[in-house]
Parts: sequence; structure tokens; C-alpha cells
Amino acid sequence: AQKVTQAQTEISVVEKEDVTLDCVYETRDTTYYLFWYKQPPSGELVFLIRRNSFDEQNEISGRYSWNFQKSTSSFNFTITASQVVDSAVYFCALTDFGNEKLTFGTGTRLTIIP
Amino acid sequence: EAQVTQNPRYLITVTGKKLTVTCSQNMNHEYMSWYRQDPGLGLRQIYYSMNVEVTDKGDVPEGYKVSRKEKRNFPLILESPSPNQTSLYFCASKGDYNEQFFGPGTRLTVL
Repeated sequence: AQKVTQAQTEISVVEKEDVTLDCVYETRDTTYYLFWYKQPPSGELVFLIRRNSFDEQNEISGRYSWNFQKSTSSFNFTITASQVVDSAVYFCALTDFGNEKLTFGTGTRLTIIP
Repeated sequence: EAQVTQNPRYLITVTGKKLTVTCSQNMNHEYMSWYRQDPGLGLRQIYYSMNVEVTDKGDVPEGYKVSRKEKRNFPLILESPSPNQTSLYFCASKGDYNEQFFGPGTRLTVL
């Protein structure tokens, strides 16, 4: 069974601070994919990143970075120098290889205070 | 532009009145799915389709039907909507690297 836990329900930080969103996952499979999606106030779901279980390299994209650690089953997301436009709900998600279901965490609502 | 479209975007209806939410994608993806999003529960899969004429239940299929007669379309049907189906619905299609691309969402209210 797949499970994704985002323990932080809501986070508020002042603009320009760094913030890390936690994601812990459970799966019995050795091959799987992890994702982060952003849902801004307008409601759409925006794909941010995909990571497969064989690639533990951290990834950086501008102010965004992701830390994947299989040893702790975590796939954390850090926003550096946060901006008001980063305010959104962020979802972590997991799918096993060959499994047609994408399992989402319950999301973290991030509010950036100007 | 590559996209997933849904219609309508907003719908208010009454209990028992059949409705259909349409979904279409222009990326030639074989896999499509439907999710509902509820506060505190995240997104949960309703149905998915691996290809034309192939559909299967997700986690919360009760009260919903789907059909996949063409690759690009995957409508969600509520034969007899009830208030507990009030939710935000997303259609998605899956790309070559397992990422799912979502439509803009349909906010449904059943009175």
C-alpha cells in the first residue's frame, strides 16, 4: 500500500525567509516515482517535479530545491528567499512503477507574509 | 497548447439530477483519471482509464461512472448526485514520464 504524509498542515513565513515542506512516504515497491504539485489560490494543479526511486540526487531549480532521501523515505521541498507568489497549497504524491494510482498527501498550505 | 480541459468549471445542481463533467486532452496520452479534492483529505482517485474502452475503479468510485470511447475524452458521470459528492473535481492525463497533468478543476455543489 502507498501512503504519503505531509505533517505540516499550514506554514506561514515572512517574505524572503527560506521554508521547507516535509514529505514522508511509504511503499513496498523498490521502483516508484515521487512528485510535487503546487495549487495556487486560483485552484489549478501545477506539476513541479518528478523524481524516480533510483535517482537520489538533489535537484535545484531556481529558488526551489528538493531533497530525496530513501533512507528516511522523505522527499522534502525547500523554497529559498520566499516570495508572495509562492503562497499556495503544495502536494507531495507517490506512484509505484506499474501502479496506475497517484497517491497524494493531504497538502501543506504555505502563506508568505509580505 | 498542450492541455487538459474540463467543463463546466462550476456547477450547482440538486440531488438526483444526472450530470456529466467532460474532460478532454490534446496530448495523445493513453492514461486518464479523475480525482476529487476535499479539505483535509487531499486528492483521491475516483476512476482511471489506461486506454480506450479500458476503465477501472480508484479509491472512491461509489456514485460515479466513466466512459472512454475516444482516447482524448474521459467524461465523469454522476447518475444521481448527492450532497456528499459536493467537491472539487480534477481530470488528469499521464505523460511519458509518469507525471500527471491536471485540468483546471470543476467545482460541484449538490444541494
